[in-house]
Amino acid sequence: DAGVTQSPTHLIKTRGQQVTLRCSPISGHKSVSWYQQVLGQGPQFIFQYYEKEERGRGNFPDRFSARQFPNYSSELNVNALLLGDSALYLCASSVGVAGATTYEQYFGPGTRLTVT
Amino acid sequence: RKEVEQDPGPFNVPEGATVAFNCTYSNSASQSFFWYRQDCRKEPKLLMSVYSSGNEDGRFTAQLNRASQYISLLIRDSKLSDSATYLCVVRSGGSNYKLTFGKGTLLTVNP
Repeated sequence: DAGVTQSPTHLIKTRGQQVTLRCSPISGHKSVSWYQQVLGQGPQFIFQYYEKEERGRGNFPDRFSARQFPNYSSELNVNALLLGDSALYLCASSVGVAGATTYEQYFGPGTRLTVT
Repeated sequence: RKEVEQDPGPFNVPEGATVAFNCTYSNSASQSFFWYRQDCRKEPKLLMSVYSSGNEDGRFTAQLNRASQYISLLIRDSKLSDSATYLCVVRSGGSNYKLTFGKGTLLTVNP
């Protein structure tokens, strides 16, 4: 079975630009979460989506937004990029919120964003 | 106080050694606990969930002490392939899927 897929793998942008990152969850998983990981730190929670609705938001500015599509794939958008946005952006897939018996999350390979 | 704190490391051990990782969490309402491993420049991979009764998977044993808000991971007979960063992870509760990660502890197993 295919795991979580993310695209693109790498991305280089300049300050002030906008970027869109994409994620497809594991088949049958309905929830997608996004995390940012800067070098030397653990991942930081950005968003969680379930059934196309935002179910959780971390401590990130409004420049960060996301959405989930009917097929449960998701996009993360970051506007007005800053040098500090350079990081590995991880998407995590989980079964879902309603009726969940497990809250385990499985991560995709990530998108490495470099802002220059 | 950080939400999830781990041993800062790094740990350097010889093959065959037993190594223990410790972690504390600050939110007493936390309900789910995990250990992930992360290889250099790769994504975190779920190693094991941690249950109140403790659980074991081969050479790996995880323990949870809710009263002390403490989680541990023990690796016995360590292998070269165990070299990675080990992340302690906590979920706060309810239907919230937000995971809070520790900073990670780097383990290097030497031949």
